[in-house]
Amino acid sequence: DAGITQSPRHKVTETGTPVTLRCHQTENHRYMYWYRQDPGHGLRLIHYSYGVKDTDKGEVSDGYSVSRSKTEDFLLTLESATSSQTSVYFCAISDSGEPYNEQFFGPGTRLTVL
Amino acid sequence: AQKITQTQPGMFVQEKEAVTLDCTYDTSDQSYGLFWYKQPSSGEMIFLIYQGSYDEQNATEGRYSLNFQKARKSANLVISASQLGDSAMYFCAMRDGNTGNQFYFGTGTSLTVIP
Repeated sequence: DAGITQSPRHKVTETGTPVTLRCHQTENHRYMYWYRQDPGHGLRLIHYSYGVKDTDKGEVSDGYSVSRSKTEDFLLTLESATSSQTSVYFCAISDSGEPYNEQFFGPGTRLTVL
Repeated sequence: AQKITQTQPGMFVQEKEAVTLDCTYDTSDQSYGLFWYKQPSSGEMIFLIYQGSYDEQNATEGRYSLNFQKARKSANLVISASQLGDSAMYFCAMRDGNTGNQFYFGTGTSLTVIP
């Protein structure tokens, strides 16, 4: 199994509070991704990174920011959490941008915003 | 525009039978990759199988095979000899050649294997 961990695994927070989710990999993969998964929507890309300090927006980036200061860590921040951000968040990694490179996923973080 | 379409929200199959999960995709790139992932009720995402756009043979991995029909832009997953442990959500995904940074996922198919 790819070495990907996410922390925390579960979090309950109040509306308006900041939240940071961490993804850590031991595979030295260049690409890292943050998705959210909601019923009926599959996985939707929030942000991704293609190198240290290189990030870009995905389909549902509003209300989220990311940072990648080291190859192994990719942080997702909800500056002011809202109830619509209640979801399961997955981090994923990929070795390169080539179309044949698959993604490997972390275990997910279940976030509840009250 | 929807890049990946999975039209079967739920499927049932008898144990030991084969089942096909449908996936169609949309891209103008010549080079792309197609992937299937399994998500059991425990929640983790498990990579199953990959097909490249230039691959002439259909991909196979154990009981999983990918029925790749390029002209129809379909990449159906075939699971042979279904087992109870195959009950899960299955997601089809694509990675474009020109925008290789991103993966596009379908909404998934829930498969239930009946004993």
